[in-house]
Amino acid sequence: DQQVKQNSPSLSVQEGRISILNCDYTNSMFDYFLWYKKYPAEGPTFLISISSIKDKNEDGRFTVFLNKSAKHLSLHIVPSQPGDSAVYFCAASVSRNQGGKLIFGQGTELSVKP
Amino acid sequence: SQTIHQWPATLVQPVGSPLSLECTVEGTSNPNLYWYRQAAGRGLQLLFYSVGIGQISSEVPQNLSASRPQDRQFILSSKKLLLSDSGFYLCAWSDPIRPHADLFGPGTRLTVL
Repeated sequence: DQQVKQNSPSLSVQEGRISILNCDYTNSMFDYFLWYKKYPAEGPTFLISISSIKDKNEDGRFTVFLNKSAKHLSLHIVPSQPGDSAVYFCAASVSRNQGGKLIFGQGTELSVKP
Repeated sequence: SQTIHQWPATLVQPVGSPLSLECTVEGTSNPNLYWYRQAAGRGLQLLFYSVGIGQISSEVPQNLSASRPQDRQFILSSKKLLLSDSGFYLCAWSDPIRPHADLFGPGTRLTVL
C-alpha cells in the first residue's frame, strides 16, 4: 500500500522556468510533509517542509503548497537552475511521537536544461 | 556540526552470505537513528528506527536485523542475504525533538548475486 505517491517519475524543464513537482498521499493522519533532494550516489538532503496547519511554506526559490482536502502537495522551484537537476522525494510523517518515521514517495527525477 | 558515516560504500555479496553495514554519527548525542532502503525504481523504505541504545523498532518483516550497541552507532545485519536484499541502504539521524530525519549518510550500494 503506497501511502505517498509521486506519479511522475521524471520531469524536464527549461532553465529559468518554473518546476512543479507533485505528490499525493492517502493517510489523513499525516501531519508533517517534507521534500528531499538527492544527487546520484549521495544520501538525500532536506529541502523544505510544511506542517498540516499551513497551506504554504516558502524558502527562497522553493515553495511547498499543501492541499489537505485533496491530500496533495507540490513543490515549486522558481526560477529553475541546472544545479536543481536531481531526484526529489516527498515524504510524510504521521506523528512526532513515532520516532520521526517518514513515508517516502518513489521520487521524481528533475532535469533542468540550460 | 553533525556528520554521519556509512561503510562500506559499495558491496557485492553472494546469496546466503552474511551482511554487516555500519553507521556512526558525530556531533550529536542521543539521536534517533534510522535505516532506509531504496530498491531499484522505488522510493525510500524505512526498515528500522531506534530512539536509544538497544531500542530497535522494525517496520517491515524481512531477514534483516538492526542493533544499536552505542549511542551513535547503528548496525544493519543479515545472517543470509537474499537476491531481493539488493539496493541502496541509507542511514539517517534526527534530533529527538524533531519529527524527521535531518541528515542521511552517503549510503551503501549492496548487490546480491
